[in-house]
Amino acid sequence: AQKVTQAQTEISVVEKEDVTLDCVYETRDTTYYLFWYKQPPSGELVFLIRRNSFDEQNEISGRYSWNFQKSTSSFNFTITASQVVDSAVYFCALKGGSSNTGKLIFGQGTTLQVKP
Amino acid sequence: EAQVTQNPRYLITVTGKKLTVTCSQNMNHEYMSWYRQDPGLGLRQIYYSMNVEVTDKGDVPEGYKVSRKEKRNFPLILESPSPNQTSLYFCASSPHGQGKWNTIYFGEGSWLTVV
Repeated sequence: AQKVTQAQTEISVVEKEDVTLDCVYETRDTTYYLFWYKQPPSGELVFLIRRNSFDEQNEISGRYSWNFQKSTSSFNFTITASQVVDSAVYFCALKGGSSNTGKLIFGQGTTLQVKP
Repeated sequence: EAQVTQNPRYLITVTGKKLTVTCSQNMNHEYMSWYRQDPGLGLRQIYYSMNVEVTDKGDVPEGYKVSRKEKRNFPLILESPSPNQTSLYFCASSPHGQGKWNTIYFGEGSWLTVV
């Protein structure tokens, strides 16, 4: 079975703090794909990053960074110097390489509130 | 600009009145899919399509129909909507189908209320 766990339901920080959102996944596939999406209060799902299982390089994009650790089946997301506009629900998602449906398995999401 | 466009974005309708939620992508993507998002249940796949004229059921297809007559369009049809179909619906597309998976892009979502 495939599963994504985002253990943090809600996180509240003050602007300029760094914050890390945790994501732990389960899959038996040797090839798989991991994603992070942002859902602001307006409701849309905004793609942030995709990582293939065979590429363990960490990535940084501006204030965002991602730490992919196959050994612990984790794909954590860090926002540096958080801003109020970062307030949203963040989803981690998994697509197994053996899937023929293209279905993404989503975590339950972490609601991030950044206070001014 | 590359995008997945859904219409309507917001709709309140009555039980039993057929409705269609359109989805169009301008990226020449082969793969398209529909999800619904509900509190406590997360995002669940309704239907997907690997290419033109190729569609299949996802996890929660009951009460929905789809068609894929053209590559760019993938409408979601509710023949006889019921209140349990009140949800936030997302259309998604991806450059490749089976065997070659790339980034999956979502539309802006369609808030549907059935009374």
